[in-house]
Amino acid sequence: SQQGEEDPQALSIQEGENATMNCSYKTSINNLQWYRQNSGRGLVHLILIRSNEREKHSGRLRVTLDTSKKSSSLLITASRAADTASYFCATRGSGGYQKVTFGTGTKLQVIP
Amino acid sequence: DTEVTQTPKHLVMGMTNKKSLKCEQHMGHRAMYWYKQKAKKPPELMFVYSYEKLSINESVPSRFSPECPNSSLLNLHLHALQPEDSALYLCASSQSVTRGVSEQFFGPGTRLTVL
Repeated sequence: SQQGEEDPQALSIQEGENATMNCSYKTSINNLQWYRQNSGRGLVHLILIRSNEREKHSGRLRVTLDTSKKSSSLLITASRAADTASYFCATRGSGGYQKVTFGTGTKLQVIP
Repeated sequence: DTEVTQTPKHLVMGMTNKKSLKCEQHMGHRAMYWYKQKAKKPPELMFVYSYEKLSINESVPSRFSPECPNSSLLNLHLHALQPEDSALYLCASSQSVTRGVSEQFFGPGTRLTVL
């Protein structure tokens, strides 16, 4: 299974602090994506990093990928209360059609 | 238009009812997906349509029947569901299923309760 394991399962921080979430996966990938889900709603795509990339930035988001360790991290800097949500990594395997498989998720709470 | 819409938002049905969930996108995407998500769990893939043809069925029970009438629409027909089928049903679309990098755009979901 490609499913990623994320840690921590839950994270509570004060507004303004940085939040780091980690994702580990099992087999080779084409790319890794991060999604955000507000409570009971659809997922929103945040950022995609290809297997040949090591780091990517988008606004307050920074994603790293270490294919040798089969792991990725998502850093949200200067967190805001509006960042409160669940965050999922999603991996897509390499070769032909490979479905996107979601990790277990990290529930982030940012306290104002 | 970068939106995926789903109707209804909420659905309550009995185990003998027949109902349908609808999904629509106008981004010209040729791949559409149904996911099921239980509380505090990640989305689980159910079906994938590519160019209006069913490509993937993740061993979903036949009480769930997908349909893709055209490139913009995706339906999920429900019949004789069980209470354990209660979940958030998410529709998503992407440019294609085989293009190397292809983010998925999700709808807001239908919250289904089976009594």
